[in-house]
Amino acid sequence: NAGVMQNPRHLVRRRGQEARLRCSPMKGHSHVYWYRQLPEEGLKFMVYLQKENIIDESGMPKERFSAEFPKEGPSILRIQQVVRGDSAAYFCASSPPPSGTQYFGPGTRLLVL
Amino acid sequence: DQQVKQNSPSLSVQEGRISILNCDYTNSMFDYFLWYKKYPAEGPTFLISISSIKDKNEDGRFTVFLNKSAKHLSLHIVPSQPGDSAVYFCAASGGSGGSNYKLTFGKGTLLTVNP
Repeated sequence: NAGVMQNPRHLVRRRGQEARLRCSPMKGHSHVYWYRQLPEEGLKFMVYLQKENIIDESGMPKERFSAEFPKEGPSILRIQQVVRGDSAAYFCASSPPPSGTQYFGPGTRLLVL
Repeated sequence: DQQVKQNSPSLSVQEGRISILNCDYTNSMFDYFLWYKKYPAEGPTFLISISSIKDKNEDGRFTVFLNKSAKHLSLHIVPSQPGDSAVYFCAASGGSGGSNYKLTFGKGTLLTVNP
């Protein structure tokens, strides 16, 4: 009974490159959330998705960031033209209904050189 | 504008004693509160939650208390064990627009339980 899976666990990119972070929710969960944690900070909500739908992206930066959750396959958080300020831990969570408890994956630590 | 505050960055207790972690919130629309535990290089692990219709929820060694009038909640761990050493995050959901899925986190409290 696997939990939330995220890969890669660590990702190093140079400024201007693209970063793709993947998240597979727990079995039976169809709601996915992405959070970002900057050093010495709490987690900040970025986006909430259901299969093939973005429900709330109010926490996403207006440019360079996008997310999807296709009918088949994992959810993807994509960051184009990365900058040093994008260096952070990115966590994905999933839940059965949206008001249920969210269960988190191990995170992807992105380092932008 | 920090809506969930954990004012103690760290807490140190002796094994076997009680650990009390505190959390304050400012948004009176929050109606569901959660505590997560996080080890370094891992994701947050759900511990316990409480709905605003209750003032206490207990699960084994963990008890969460909610004081709505004071907008304050606390997590009690008794007895504390060395394996409890981790960062504890308080989180809340609810708020305007029915966004009961959007968790707002505090900055966390590092708990160290000394043998």
